Amino acid sequence: DQQVKQNSPSLSVQEGRISILNCDYTNSMFDYFLWYKKYPAEGPTFLISISSIKDKNEDGRFTVFLNKSAKHLSLHIVPSQPGDSAVYFCAATNLQGAQKLVFGQGTRLTINP
Amino acid sequence: DGGITQSPKYLFRKEGQNVTLSCEQNLNHDAMYWYRQDPGQGLRLIYYSQIVNDFQKGDIAEGYSVSREKKESFPLTVTSAQKNPTAFYLCASSTTYEQFFGPGTRLTVL
Repeated sequence: DQQVKQNSPSLSVQEGRISILNCDYTNSMFDYFLWYKKYPAEGPTFLISISSIKDKNEDGRFTVFLNKSAKHLSLHIVPSQPGDSAVYFCAATNLQGAQKLVFGQGTRLTINP
Repeated sequence: DGGITQSPKYLFRKEGQNVTLSCEQNLNHDAMYWYRQDPGQGLRLIYYSQIVNDFQKGDIAEGYSVSREKKESFPLTVTSAQKNPTAFYLCASSTTYEQFFGPGTRLTVL
């Protein structure tokens, strides 16, 4: 069973516009969420995280929104830049449990000039 | 520079052979992890270790083995029992919940 789901395998956005990547989870015990960015043949790099006690966290062009009742989070990138083209993974964990992350399948974001 | 190194970058093996993937970190992190990435399936946890001389199975441990004799090192052995070993393997380490990843090893079994 897929506890963290990213239902859009790919997303194409024009440079300068907003990119919105979505993630859903099923496990109500998850209370900490992270987004990672991955280029081909490289390891993922951490982007931004959010605790379940918040509903929004911002870091520069990146904002993550959390809707606990819907078990949904989203990553907004504004404005989108060509270097943002990559695969984005959301991940979730329970802070009281083992230090394990459960990852979604990833969304490939392409920023078009 | 602190970081995680994985070697080699590309690895080819014949079917039926065991192969060991290296992972070293100098971040002084207690926890280390091994993931496998397949197209369209995200990252799946193979094994993880939260402390030296201790490790736990992840979601897809069958056909793999690990050791954690030193804090800095967490090698992964892909055994002949692993039915589909061709994949991209990622090692990570952490002190909290933010995991830092190595560059990965692409294993191809011929």
